Amino acid sequence: DAKTTQPTSMDCAEGRAANLPCNHSTISGNEYVYWYRQIHSQGPQYIIHGLKNNETNEMASLIITEDRKSSTLILPHATLRDTAVYYCIVSLSGSARQLTFGSGTQLTVLP
Amino acid sequence: DVKVTQSSRYLVKRTGEKVFLECVQDMDHENMFWYRQDPGLGLRLIYFSYDVKMKEKGDIPEGYSVSREKKERFSLILESASTNQTSMYLCASSSRSAGRYEQYFGPGTRLTVT
Repeated sequence: DAKTTQPTSMDCAEGRAANLPCNHSTISGNEYVYWYRQIHSQGPQYIIHGLKNNETNEMASLIITEDRKSSTLILPHATLRDTAVYYCIVSLSGSARQLTFGSGTQLTVLP
Repeated sequence: DVKVTQSSRYLVKRTGEKVFLECVQDMDHENMFWYRQDPGLGLRLIYFSYDVKMKEKGDIPEGYSVSREKKERFSLILESASTNQTSMYLCASSSRSAGRYEQYFGPGTRLTVT
């Protein structure tokens, strides 16, 4: 699996967009980009994933650069409940196997 | 809405006790997983199951066993609890069609072994 690099922490004002970057310069052509988050004392929560095209769902948008070496998770209107550690994972899809989290980005949404 | 439930949020057991952690999912998922999460060590896979009665060892299976008699239920068993098994235990499930990384997690069980 490709290695990812994320900032350790970020702050965002409530109601503003939160833009969380992830670098994955060694990504291969068939690897997906996945985002999860973990709110304190809860289980991780799947957010979104993508291969090449930008993706959007009810929770967030995922922007992947054309060379696929980096991506940005966008929470369009951050709320206090979005305060969590956000993990970017790059890997092949396919048969069941483990999920490996890096250190992630601690996002703090400020009132 | 997808739902993975775990039998307890907090559990305190004594060394040597046999411990059962239950996980139930209502999404008809084929794959189910047990992880433990410890500070500084991240998420580590204990066992996973890709079908009823099927199981495979993860990275740290020692001291644990699992049971999957029904599709919706995956149990983790600590045969003889030890203090180094004090941890947060997380269950997850995923569908075969969605691939391994679109996993849905339960709330976790914080187990303390004294």
